[in-house]
Amino acid sequence: SQQGEEDPQALSIQEGENATMNCSYKTSINNLQWYRQNSGRGLVHLILIRSNEREKHSGRLRVTLDTSKKSSSLLITASRAADTASYFCATDLNDYKLSFGAGTTVTVRA
Amino acid sequence: EAQVTQNPRYLITVTGKKLTVTCSQNMNHEYMSWYRQDPGLGLRQIYYSMNVEVTDKGDVPEGYKVSRKEKRNFPLILESPSPNQTSLYFCASSLGDEQYFGPGTRLTVT
Repeated sequence: SQQGEEDPQALSIQEGENATMNCSYKTSINNLQWYRQNSGRGLVHLILIRSNEREKHSGRLRVTLDTSKKSSSLLITASRAADTASYFCATDLNDYKLSFGAGTTVTVRA
Repeated sequence: EAQVTQNPRYLITVTGKKLTVTCSQNMNHEYMSWYRQDPGLGLRQIYYSMNVEVTDKGDVPEGYKVSRKEKRNFPLILESPSPNQTSLYFCASSLGDEQYFGPGTRLTVT
């Protein structure tokens, strides 16, 4: 069953703006990961945040995790056309399974 | 180059004709997994394997079989494909938390 749900389903922004998307999940997790998928291609791992971490940065990416609210957010700063993709959160329940949400489709307009 | 490969990339077949989608990784990963991706549903896990000769069901295993006779290979077998198995399939491998995805196999069953 799907553990994570992303919000919004779709997001359209101007190049240079920030993009924020959220992920909510249902049960306790070991870690939460974000992946990017360019149209019709395989997923690429972006960043992982563990259950005892609250915030993590990687380049233009910032991820937060609030385990009390069972939610996470992914912020992409200073967006570029190349950031146009679908973004998925995946929760690791520590049972060797990743549970993915349905994704947020981000379109960056030039 | 470290990678996960899948073959074929595209396949159109008819109901009931057995098929195999191959997956191979060159990273010596112990963990491998198969997912299917359908619009609005994100990725759903079909089967996973912790190591050679160790496999287990994911969330949607019905109609699929897998085998893990060698560490690098994890084929997905559809003994009698049906139209509801039309989907985009991804193989992934992992050494720890992060999963590495193959490029995908687009399967159409008519």
